[in-house]
Amino acid sequence: KNEVEQSPQNLTAQEGEFITINCSYSVGISALHWLQQHPGGGIVSLFMLSSGKKKHGRLIATINIQEKHSSLHITASHPRDSAVYTCAVRGMEYGNKLVFGAGTILRVKS
Amino acid sequence: EAGVTQFPSHSVIEKGQTVTLRCDPISGHDNLYWYRRVMGKEIKFLLHFVKESKQDESGMPNNRFLAERTGGTYSTLKVQPAELEDSGVYFCASSLRPWGRRGTNEKLFFGSGTQLSVL
Repeated sequence: KNEVEQSPQNLTAQEGEFITINCSYSVGISALHWLQQHPGGGIVSLFMLSSGKKKHGRLIATINIQEKHSSLHITASHPRDSAVYTCAVRGMEYGNKLVFGAGTILRVKS
Repeated sequence: EAGVTQFPSHSVIEKGQTVTLRCDPISGHDNLYWYRRVMGKEIKFLLHFVKESKQDESGMPNNRFLAERTGGTYSTLKVQPAELEDSGVYFCASSLRPWGRRGTNEKLFFGSGTQLSVL
C-alpha cells in the first residue's frame, strides 16, 4: 500500500467541467506538493502547501492537516489541462524526503 | 533561462549493458535530486546532491547505481550492469536551496526525464 494515496487514477472530463483530484496521506507532514506533467514534458511544481488554500489561475489547492487530505481543483477545465497530476509529501516520518502518490491521469476532451 | 535538461530523453539497452544518464541543473542551483518512476509505481527518491557532495543517497536501490556530480555542476547517473527492473523514467530536479524545508517557498524545477528501457 502506498503511503500517499491519490484518486482517481484516471479521469476523463468534458471541457468546462470542474475537476477534483484527491490526495491522502497517513502521517504528519511538513509540506505537500502538487506536480503536473504534460505528455512528453517535464514535471512542473504547481503548489507547495502546509496549510489552508492556494490559488493560481484556474487551479486551486487545499489541504486539511487534521484529516491528512489535500485536493487539487481545476475550474473551467480545458484540453490543455490534460496531464498527469501527482501529489508528493515531505515529513520527518519519511526521513524528510519526498514521497509521491501514483499520479492521476487527466484527459479533458473538447 | 534554460531549465533542467536531461540527456538522453530515451535509452534502450540490453540487460547487462551500462547506461549513463546526464542531468544539467539550472545554473547556480546547488541542490540536485534524482528520482525515478518504475513501471506502474509511484515516483521514488534516489539521491540528493548539495554541490558535489552526496547529501542523501538513501534511495539508491543497490550498488549497480552510481551517481556523480564532479565540480558541482552537471550530474551523471550510471547503471552498471543494467537489469530489467531498472526500466522506468529517471527524473532530475534542482533547486537553489534545499527543497521542501519548512518555512521556505523554494521552487523545485524538474527535467523532462530519461525513459530507460532494459530489454
